[in-house]
Amino acid sequence: NAGVTQTPKFQVLKTGQSMTLQCAQDMNHEYMSWYRQDPGMGLRLIHYSVGAGITDQGEVPNGYNVSRSTTEDFPLRLLSAAPSQTSVYFCASSVHQGPYEQYFGPGTRLTVT
Amino acid sequence: QKEVEQDPGPLSVPEGAIVSLNCTYSNSAFQYFMWYRQYSRKGPELLMYTYSSGNKEDGRFTAQVDKSSKYISLFIRDSQPSDSATYLCAWYGNNRLAFGKGNQVVVIP
Repeated sequence: NAGVTQTPKFQVLKTGQSMTLQCAQDMNHEYMSWYRQDPGMGLRLIHYSVGAGITDQGEVPNGYNVSRSTTEDFPLRLLSAAPSQTSVYFCASSVHQGPYEQYFGPGTRLTVT
Repeated sequence: QKEVEQDPGPLSVPEGAIVSLNCTYSNSAFQYFMWYRQYSRKGPELLMYTYSSGNKEDGRFTAQVDKSSKYISLFIRDSQPSDSATYLCAWYGNNRLAFGKGNQVVVIP
C-alpha cells in the first residue's frame, strides 16, 4: 500500500506557465482534496471531490482546476502560474467526505518566479 | 473572527517536559475534533480524534475538549526529541473540515 503519492516533489515555474500536480491513492477512497500550506496561513482547501466525476471548489479555488476521471487520481492544474501560488501543495484522501481520517501525501513544493 | 485560532509558536521545551497546546474555535457546528502532527517536509498525519467533551488519552498524548468554551488542548507528557513537529488542530462540522495554523514544537535533548 503506497497510500497517497504526489509528483513532482519540487517544481520551479516562471510566471504564466501552466503545469499539473499529480496525486494518486491506492486505498479506494471516495473523497480526495487539495490543500495549499503557506507560513502563517495554515492549510487551506483548494478543491475537493466526493467521487469520480464530481468536483467542487474549496476556500481558495481561483487559478486552479481539477478533474476526477477515476477513483484513484485527482490532478491539480495551475492554469497560468503567479508568484502568489508559490506554496506547498498537499493532496489528501479519506474513505468518504466527513469526520474521517485524512491521509496526506508528501507534498509538492512549488516556486513561481 | 477566524473559525479556528491557534497560536503558531514556536514552542521550545527541554526533553521530559510537558507540552501544552491550545486551539479555540468559533463555529458551534463543529462536532468532531482532531489533532494532526506534521514532521518537517512531510504531510500531516492524524494523531488523535475525539467527539465528546472531556479527555482522551493515548500513551503520552492527551486530547482535551471543552465544547462549552469552544476550546481544545493537546498535552504531551515526557516529551521526546522525536515529538519535535508542527501540531495542527482540526475540526469537522456541517460538511466542513477546518485546520488551525499549526503550532511548532521543538523538544531539546
